[in-house]
Amino acid sequence: GNSVTQMEGPVTLSEEAFLTINCTYTATGYPSLFWYVQYPGEGLQLLLKATKADDKGSNKGFEATYRKETTSFHLEKGSVQVSDSAVYFCALSEASGTSYGKLTFGQGTILTVHP
Amino acid sequence: DAGVTQSPTHLIKTRGQQVTLRCSPKSGHDTVSWYQQALGQGPQFIFQYYEEEERQRGNFPDRFSGHQFPNYSSELNVNALLLGDSALYLCASSSRYNEQFFGPGTRLTVL
Repeated sequence: GNSVTQMEGPVTLSEEAFLTINCTYTATGYPSLFWYVQYPGEGLQLLLKATKADDKGSNKGFEATYRKETTSFHLEKGSVQVSDSAVYFCALSEASGTSYGKLTFGQGTILTVHP
Repeated sequence: DAGVTQSPTHLIKTRGQQVTLRCSPKSGHDTVSWYQQALGQGPQFIFQYYEEEERQRGNFPDRFSGHQFPNYSSELNVNALLLGDSALYLCASSSRYNEQFFGPGTRLTVL
């Protein structure tokens, strides 16, 4: 079945540092890929998405590129802020080419940014 | 435009009891999905409803059931509660070719 693996362990950075959170996936067909963010005590918010190979999703300074050859969708940001502290989830949708259908999530990565 | 709303916000039950959680989708959305998020874990798909029918189901026992109403709102029912059912239950709504929008969740504690 489909699965998503995120880098283990929390990430702690100083403000303005570069961020990378690794995500790899296993899927049949051509899934859509997503990054969701969850702030303390809240539900999930879509951060960015990519629906086909080589697509780059971007939002609020965050970027991720859909790499079919390495089955990866790593999240990056050039300069993090304290307000970026949250839990980040990588996810895939089985529905090829659309955002419709069951989402499979990774285990989440806790990001803490210090001033 | 109201987003996805869920009720109640928090709920405390005892083992063996039954619980009903409610979800109202974002305006214009016709599909509702339910997820269970245990502490420190990613959300796990329970099931998805479209046109008042369960269209897709995850690996959850029959104790978990649902319903979708003609106005697209949805309920999640859990019977014979176990301690392991304690989690944040998330509802997400969507429409064809659009991403899923999540509600704030219902925190269920089973004692």
